[in-house]
Amino acid sequence: DAMVIQNPRYQVTQFGKPVTLSCSQTLNHNVMYWYQQKSSQAPKLLFHYYDKDFNNEADTPDNFQSRRPNTSFCFLDIRSPGLGDAAMYLCATSRGTGVRETQYFGPGTRLLVL
Amino acid sequence: AQSVTQLGSHVSVSEGALVLLRCNYSSSVPPYLFWYVQYPNQGLQLLLKYTSAATLVKGINGFEAEFKKSETSFHLTKPSAHMSDAAEYFCAVSEDTGNQFYFGTGTSLTVIP
Repeated sequence: DAMVIQNPRYQVTQFGKPVTLSCSQTLNHNVMYWYQQKSSQAPKLLFHYYDKDFNNEADTPDNFQSRRPNTSFCFLDIRSPGLGDAAMYLCATSRGTGVRETQYFGPGTRLLVL
Repeated sequence: AQSVTQLGSHVSVSEGALVLLRCNYSSSVPPYLFWYVQYPNQGLQLLLKYTSAATLVKGINGFEAEFKKSETSFHLTKPSAHMSDAAEYFCAVSEDTGNQFYFGTGTSLTVIP
């Protein structure tokens, strides 16, 4: 089945220690997104790639970076995690950026910062 | 920018009862609307979407939603709740420029046996 895969499902890191979350997709979609979702809140878009074009949301902290080495993979790098970065991180994909496009989500990675 | 409002952050229904989760949107142009479900520690799963083809949209797991332009609403319903429906439900609207989704704050559904 075509899908969006996120690894690991749970990640524990230490305050200030860089961490990388990964996302892969078998849907061959052009667009990949990273969302941050804190407890009992709606997902918040951090950034997205259309193919190799990177689009950062204006209020995404510099501490968050992303890489997309190829169509299938996208990484979220948190350079110096703080306690406030503990959250669920969701990866999503869509075929294109049209308004009708559905976003397909992975299962998420829950990040714990100690 | 578009926005959605979900009235009721927590809804409880008895098993077998009607489920009604409310979503209102603000938009000056025809919106594209989505309902997603999120089970504990899972990602978001698409339930259904409205893209102007039909006002009554049927989705998975027996859910449906009706687009009412006059009320700027897109409420989610299911005739008979099942225990497995207990989850968080998010309404989202798609922006007419770019590809931003605007999510509502979510409604947590509890099903009482």
